[in-house]
Amino acid sequence: EDQVTQSPEALRLQEGESSSLNCSYTVSGLRGLFWYRQDPGKGPEFLFTLYSAGEEKEKERLKATLTKKESFLHITAPKPEDSATYLCAVKRGGAGGTSYGKLTFGQGTILTVHP
Amino acid sequence: DSGVTQTPKHLITATGQRVTLRCSPRSGDLSVYWYQQSLDQGLQFLIHYYNGEERAKGNILERFSAQQFPDLHSELNLSSLELGDSALYFCASSSAPYTEAFFGQGTRLTVV
Repeated sequence: EDQVTQSPEALRLQEGESSSLNCSYTVSGLRGLFWYRQDPGKGPEFLFTLYSAGEEKEKERLKATLTKKESFLHITAPKPEDSATYLCAVKRGGAGGTSYGKLTFGQGTILTVHP
Repeated sequence: DSGVTQTPKHLITATGQRVTLRCSPRSGDLSVYWYQQSLDQGLQFLIHYYNGEERAKGNILERFSAQQFPDLHSELNLSSLELGDSALYFCASSSAPYTEAFFGQGTRLTVV
């Protein structure tokens, strides 16, 4: 069964204090790893897709990287508006079965950035 | 705005009742997914439809059913509701099963 573990569960930063969030995964035939941001009571907002080890994606203060066992979301000089829950999810390969197209999510990292 | 529309936003109903949640996917997306999010379980996959056909099923209860119509919108039907069914229900869509999924704003279901 696919597993996604995120750490830490919660992270408190001062504005401008850079840090990283970790996502460790176990999946049979990774087809894609996805990062989302979720604000309270809202739907997850898509951030990045990573398909293969060594791949990196950047967007404003966020940078996502992927290895064969884990992914990191680096946050550079965060601002209070970056406060949210960050979710990591994986999709496995294979065109059939009970997991086709399914996202398996981690429990998320709750990020709080203080001014 | 993700382009995925869910209605209603909030729903309060009594135990034993039946409700229908509606989802309009992003224009052109053929895959529609339903997820349940509760405080203690996180985001749990329920079901995936691709171009009108059911393609994958998660831990969806027998009391729950879904369908995708020819115009690609989808409905999730929840029956014989129990207190434990109270949760946020999200619909997501993607252009293909392996591409990124975009989520709607969810329906908050409260069973009293």
